[in-house]
Amino acid sequence: GIQVEQSPPDLILQEGANSTLRCNFSDSVNNLQWFHQNPWGQLINLFYIPSGTKQNGRLSATTVATERYSLLYISSSQTTDSGVYFCAVELDRGSTLGRLYFGRGTQLTVWP
Amino acid sequence: DTGVSQDPRHKITKRGQNVTFRCDPISEHNRLYWYRQTLGQGPEFLTYFQNEAQLEKSRLLSDRFSAERPKGSFSTLEIQRTEQGDSAMYLCASSAHPGHSGNTIYFGEGSWLTVV
Repeated sequence: GIQVEQSPPDLILQEGANSTLRCNFSDSVNNLQWFHQNPWGQLINLFYIPSGTKQNGRLSATTVATERYSLLYISSSQTTDSGVYFCAVELDRGSTLGRLYFGRGTQLTVWP
Repeated sequence: DTGVSQDPRHKITKRGQNVTFRCDPISEHNRLYWYRQTLGQGPEFLTYFQNEAQLEKSRLLSDRFSAERPKGSFSTLEIQRTEQGDSAMYLCASSAHPGHSGNTIYFGEGSWLTVV
């Protein structure tokens, strides 16, 4: 199956700092989503971004599909940003529509 | 749009007992997925329904696991003769037919299972 690697595995920041999370994937994809998993386990959609750049408030994401990576930018981080950030991809062939392959996540801790 | 709902949120059961989880997807979504997540890992795909048809099952879904979506709306995931290795969070997700937003997949809050 496809390999999805996220880095860094852990990130500790002080409130107000900026950060970049990376997701590398090993095959062509037609779907890439970034999720934030809160301490209660809820996976919250951040971006559907198979290619290009999107922004939503303090968060933005860029996917370069031809080079098989995606970046999630968090600016002016807040304590409520803490949690695990997952990248998940869907193969563009030979796979169930909507079957997502997840990375192991980046554990983000933001201190006040 | 009330989101994907799962019930129960937490279940503690003795080894060997059967458990059932329910998922109510977003109302207009015809695709429904079950995933499993263990500590420190990302979610792993278990099975997929399009309407009432179960179209794919992962090899992770042993014979003790069965999933149904009888009327193409809610779904149940049953685990028979639970084992300690079944302890995990079971996540349900749903999506609509791909449209302008692609195939964005929405997850429920998960059902935590602890087998003692």
